[in-house]
Amino acid sequence: IVMTQAPATLSVSPGERATFSCRASQSVSSNLAWYQQKPGQGPRLLIYGASIRATGIPARFSGSGSGTEFTLTISSLQSEDFAVYYCQHYNNWPLTFGGGTKVEIK
Amino acid sequence: QVQLAESGGGVVQPGGSLRLSCAASGFTFSNYGMHWVRQAPDEGLEWVAFIQYDGGNKYYADSVRGRFTISRDNSKNTLYLQMNSLRADDTAVYYCAKRWGNDALDIWGQGTMVTVSS
Repeated sequence: IVMTQAPATLSVSPGERATFSCRASQSVSSNLAWYQQKPGQGPRLLIYGASIRATGIPARFSGSGSGTEFTLTISSLQSEDFAVYYCQHYNNWPLTFGGGTKVEIK
Repeated sequence: QVQLAESGGGVVQPGGSLRLSCAASGFTFSNYGMHWVRQAPDEGLEWVAFIQYDGGNKYYADSVRGRFTISRDNSKNTLYLQMNSLRADDTAVYYCAKRWGNDALDIWGQGTMVTVSS
């Protein structure tokens, strides 16, 4: 299953809303996770089950979608949210990740 | 706290071998499946391998099947990745990650760098 993320880069001002998408080449049901990665660090799980926030993740992060179309929304960008975001399906083997969306300061 | 710490990376010649380790702490290691994921320089994430909590089932990416072997020692709370017949395109940071639910990955290590070069 190929996971496609868009856009590759998103320029956003602090306090603004950011929305990015992830598309699967075939249905993955709700078996979809989102991760945040900052330079020099391992990824951090944000969302699993397409819409369930992981432990300790702020409410400004939300996920939606099922099947082949998914969205991650950050309602009001904070300075610590500028990072790369990856989606990943876990519907079957092999697991695959999207290419990532880099969120940069506008 | 819950923690994963990879080690064993380094520089190796093409065709060589390397064994990575991942030490787990802060959770009951023997209850969870574990994954290896890699990231080539300035690239995205690529899933590499998975091992079930008891070592029973193992799955591999096509790119490493037959060359890499995932294993674990639950008595030592340690995950391993034996990498043989290494190629230049295996150059990456290798992360271990803990399985959450049906294979989201909820805890990641800081990674260990593997460079395959002559």
